[in-house]
Amino acid sequence: GAGVSQSPRYKVAKRGQDVALRCDPISGHVSLFWYQQALGQGPEFLTYFQNEAQLDKSGLPSDRFFAERPEGSVSTLKIQRTQQEDSAVYLCASGRGGATTGELFFGEGSRLTVL
Amino acid sequence: EDQVTQSPEALRLQEGESSSLNCSYTVSGLRGLFWYRQDPGKGPEFLFTLYSAGEEKEKERLKATLTKKESFLHITAPKPEDSATYLCAVQARGAQKLVFGQGTRLTINP
Repeated sequence: GAGVSQSPRYKVAKRGQDVALRCDPISGHVSLFWYQQALGQGPEFLTYFQNEAQLDKSGLPSDRFFAERPEGSVSTLKIQRTQQEDSAVYLCASGRGGATTGELFFGEGSRLTVL
Repeated sequence: EDQVTQSPEALRLQEGESSSLNCSYTVSGLRGLFWYRQDPGKGPEFLFTLYSAGEEKEKERLKATLTKKESFLHITAPKPEDSATYLCAVQARGAQKLVFGQGTRLTINP
């Protein structure tokens, strides 16, 4: 496709369940970011990949959060033992990298609701 | 710690009524300042990059400006389709991540 694709768009999980959120970036994009956006707030950085290498995971809120991009394309964000405070929209963004690292293309997000 | 504060939180204008949105920032060496637009239920959409104080960028009814402490997004004669949340973000030198503000929710009434 032409843009960043995320799935599922909506996910409802019971507290304690594991969830996996998928991101298909724009083909050929080197950079891939995950952000978390709470209602009425700006996106908060979670983690960054350059190709398959996870170069920054300083924003992951706990060791229950794990992200991977094994072949430098599709990425998965996994949340184990979900808690209510994990409820948010999870945004994936990709970019060409290099001098334009701040010019990102965002997906529509995966809205996670933890009951 | 890098920080971005946007004001006002919400702004309601009549069609054709020009105004400005503010983005104040503190960053340990600015690599770039970015403006994004976000429609409800969508991901942010890139608008502008500004790199140094004094720089200006324009696109249709929008103009972004930058000083050493803040950026303004000026909206001239807005239309209802300009209604959205406008997000400001900074990128520090040597970093890849963007630090976003909380956004300004702009509503343009016809």
